[in-house]
Amino acid sequence: SQQGEEDPQALSIQEGENATMNCSYKTSINNLQWYRQNSGRGLVHLILIRSNEREKHSGRLRVTLDTSKKSSSLLITASRAADTASYFCATDTGRRALTFGSGTRLQVQP
Amino acid sequence: NAGVMQNPRHLVRRRGQEARLRCSPMKGHSHVYWYRQLPEEGLKFMVYLQKENIIDESGMPKERFSAEFPKEGPSILRIQQVVRGDSAAYFCASSPGEGKGTEAFFGQGTRLTVV
Repeated sequence: SQQGEEDPQALSIQEGENATMNCSYKTSINNLQWYRQNSGRGLVHLILIRSNEREKHSGRLRVTLDTSKKSSSLLITASRAADTASYFCATDTGRRALTFGSGTRLQVQP
Repeated sequence: NAGVMQNPRHLVRRRGQEARLRCSPMKGHSHVYWYRQLPEEGLKFMVYLQKENIIDESGMPKERFSAEFPKEGPSILRIQQVVRGDSAAYFCASSPGEGKGTEAFFGQGTRLTVV
């Protein structure tokens, strides 16, 4: 598997529910970042968590990082139809450009 | 700050032609990255450049592909003798540079279609 793999590949929920996406990686990192991509558009940076941090919040977003398990999770609370998008984790190892996973496609049903 | 600007947004080329994709990074950003995205897939790293230097081109095919980031002007990703398999969305991202943050700001992409 590649550095930065998201799970699940696709997720469909109802508006108001919480959405949880997971990311696993293989090598040591400086930080891990989550991005969102609306269909046919570029990626938008959501949140960055450093390797010495365990949890971070930004609005309805909550990110956790477990460096011992080499995994991260992104939680979107009280989801809205506008949250429908693909979500990617990206790892920064300090040696090269960000490495992206294959993404989780989130569908929020109104 | 206009953000990362890519042009054209859509590009159609016949097999064997050349494709030139342009990327103007955000003001003050000295690092540029090119990624390729196939439908329903993630972004695959191609090349990482700083002004007048290629830092890492390990993700870029050795043949037909080249990239530059001149002292003046945009970064250019050039694909010679395009083939159908080159059809994809090509995204450019920029960041401030080492020690100033690694958060990447993406352009809207260029969608290349080879017919």
